[in-house]
Amino acid sequence: DQQVKQNSPSLSVQEGRISILNCDYTNSMFDYFLWYKKYPAEGPTFLISISSIKDKNEDGRFTVFLNKSAKHLSLHIVPSQPGDSAVYFCAAVEQNTGFQKLVFGTGTRLLVSP
Amino acid sequence: KAGVTQTPRYLIKTRGQQVTLSCSPISGHRSVSWYQQTPGQGLQFLFEYFSETQRNKGNFPGRFSGRQFSNSRSEMNVSTLELGDSALYLCASKEQGNTEAFFGQGTRLTVV
Repeated sequence: DQQVKQNSPSLSVQEGRISILNCDYTNSMFDYFLWYKKYPAEGPTFLISISSIKDKNEDGRFTVFLNKSAKHLSLHIVPSQPGDSAVYFCAAVEQNTGFQKLVFGTGTRLLVSP
Repeated sequence: KAGVTQTPRYLIKTRGQQVTLSCSPISGHRSVSWYQQTPGQGLQFLFEYFSETQRNKGNFPGRFSGRQFSNSRSEMNVSTLELGDSALYLCASKEQGNTEAFFGQGTRLTVV
């Protein structure tokens, strides 16, 4: 039972354009969400997060939007750069578990072409 | 600060054998989690340790076990290896109460 879903396995975008990566979840107890980026042969690195009390969080070129009623979040990268090419994982957590367990989606491979 | 260190980076084992993977967390981080990454399945939570105690466990068979030492280093053991255990095993550490988990580079296990 996949509680966090990333339905697009891959996304191709041109440099300078916007990349939008989507994530859906089913567990209404999730109240904190994170995005991780992963390059081949490396571990995931934290990008940006958002609490369920917010609907938007911005950090430089990265913005995460949360729609609680739709159980949907998205990561926007503007402008996209070739170095952003990686696999992006959405993760969710129940805060009352002390952030002990991250539930990840299956990832979206982003390719940004020059 | 040094990052999360996992050893070995690569491992090839035969079905039926057992394997032990090691993880050294970032200095000061007492929480260590383990994840399995396989194609199409994303990262699946295995277990989490804090102060030498397992606090949370994922839906994996009992062949998967772990432990944490007093210096917060952690080991993960898989017994009676199966072909389906071939995966990238990732360890993550974090400070208690913080949201961000820092991952190591992982151990690529291949079972033949």
